[in-house]
Amino acid sequence: DTGVSQDPRHKITKRGQNVTFRCDPISEHNRLYWYRQTLGQGPEFLTYFQNEAQLEKSRLLSDRFSAERPKGSFSTLEIQRTEQGDSAMYLCASSLVGLPLHFGNGTRLTVT
Amino acid sequence: LAKTTQPISMDSYEGQEVNITCSHNNIATNDYITWYQQFPSQGPRFIIQGYKTKVTNEVASLFIPADRKSSTLSLPRVSLSDTAVYYCLVGGTTSGTYKYIFGTGTRLKVLA
Repeated sequence: DTGVSQDPRHKITKRGQNVTFRCDPISEHNRLYWYRQTLGQGPEFLTYFQNEAQLEKSRLLSDRFSAERPKGSFSTLEIQRTEQGDSAMYLCASSLVGLPLHFGNGTRLTVT
Repeated sequence: LAKTTQPISMDSYEGQEVNITCSHNNIATNDYITWYQQFPSQGPRFIIQGYKTKVTNEVASLFIPADRKSSTLSLPRVSLSDTAVYYCLVGGTTSGTYKYIFGTGTRLKVLA
């Protein structure tokens, strides 16, 4: 069990640029989740995959956000035309049959 | 979806037992209760999971009363390194419940 891996750990970008984050879940886990966390707040649900199917998306996930999980393995989260309000920690988690969730250490995005 | 409520913060001294209670009044019949620990700049780390009564592992105990509308995470003999934010998360482990909602968590500060 190598744990959930996220890349990069930190990303600084200028407003208006596109960014993409990658998540590699625990290998036998078929469920993958993306959360966003801002300072002092709990993680906010963004979206969820079961295998390659994206089954649920939060209203927080505007049209500028897109997530994929090709072949049901790793996942990517892309943010287009970044805004300063997108600055946050983006967390990925995976699970086998629901709870518990196993999180990576996140990607911290700073939009300048 | 079960909503959770926890105290915002708690202080304790090294060597003491700490009990953090989470309220989840609308927990569903097939929902499990999980607890996580989060350090700054890291993802939440799964600590313990339970359904009813008491569960104990090497780091914590989880007490769940018969009505399951609350749960208490017990950390025995805390040390400075237990200073972190603790979250309870409630949801199903079978298909049908995908969107797990975190509360604001409890910020535990352990003092020397």
